[in-house]
Amino acid sequence: GAVVSQHPSRVICKSGTSVKIECRSLDFQATTMFWYRQFPKQSLMLMATSNEGSKATYEQGVEKDKFLINHASLTLSTLTVTSAHPEDSSFYICSAASGTGANTQYFGPGTRLTVL
Amino acid sequence: GESVGLHLPTLSVQEGDNSIINCAYSNSASDYFIWYKQESGKGPQFIIDIRSNMDKRQGQRVTVLLNKTVKHLSLQIAATQPGDSAVYFCAEGGFMDSSYKLIFGSGTRLLVRP
Repeated sequence: GAVVSQHPSRVICKSGTSVKIECRSLDFQATTMFWYRQFPKQSLMLMATSNEGSKATYEQGVEKDKFLINHASLTLSTLTVTSAHPEDSSFYICSAASGTGANTQYFGPGTRLTVL
Repeated sequence: GESVGLHLPTLSVQEGDNSIINCAYSNSASDYFIWYKQESGKGPQFIIDIRSNMDKRQGQRVTVLLNKTVKHLSLQIAATQPGDSAVYFCAEGGFMDSSYKLIFGSGTRLLVRP
């Protein structure tokens, strides 16, 4: 089946620094990638949708200048958390879809971000 | 806004029994529904899906039922095993704000007693 990877799987950083998370589709081309955030014991919340070669669409309440998303190729999307603060500590999960619809999404293993 | 919710936050079952996890959704325009299993520290794992033109779909040991009249979705797991212990999320898919999205429910933790 379709495989999506994320790197790193776990990252700890100091407050005020920026962290980049990569999401890769390993065996298919992802026209659309999605970024989710999941706080402990909560559900996945969609942050943004990115289409290859175009600007990401952010959900209401998600700061686009803080969470920079780049989808430069059909197999790679990156999420950069800029000037991270402790409240940004969370589990970040990406998913990728190969078609124009988002109904078949393949999820990555997630990245645990801890901001000290 | 639109949301997907669950009736039971935690479900404890005896190994070998059948499990039923329920989900209520609110977006009548949703046309696709999925159940995911998530183990601690991992991403969601696809279990089974169903489109809005169906009311039942079966997989290996799992069955999803969709009742569009009352906007209710359920996941049935037959002969529950210890390896089934995890958090289960339902998700609804549909066009929202001009783009196709998945909206996740709040999750149910399934505990399987040996």
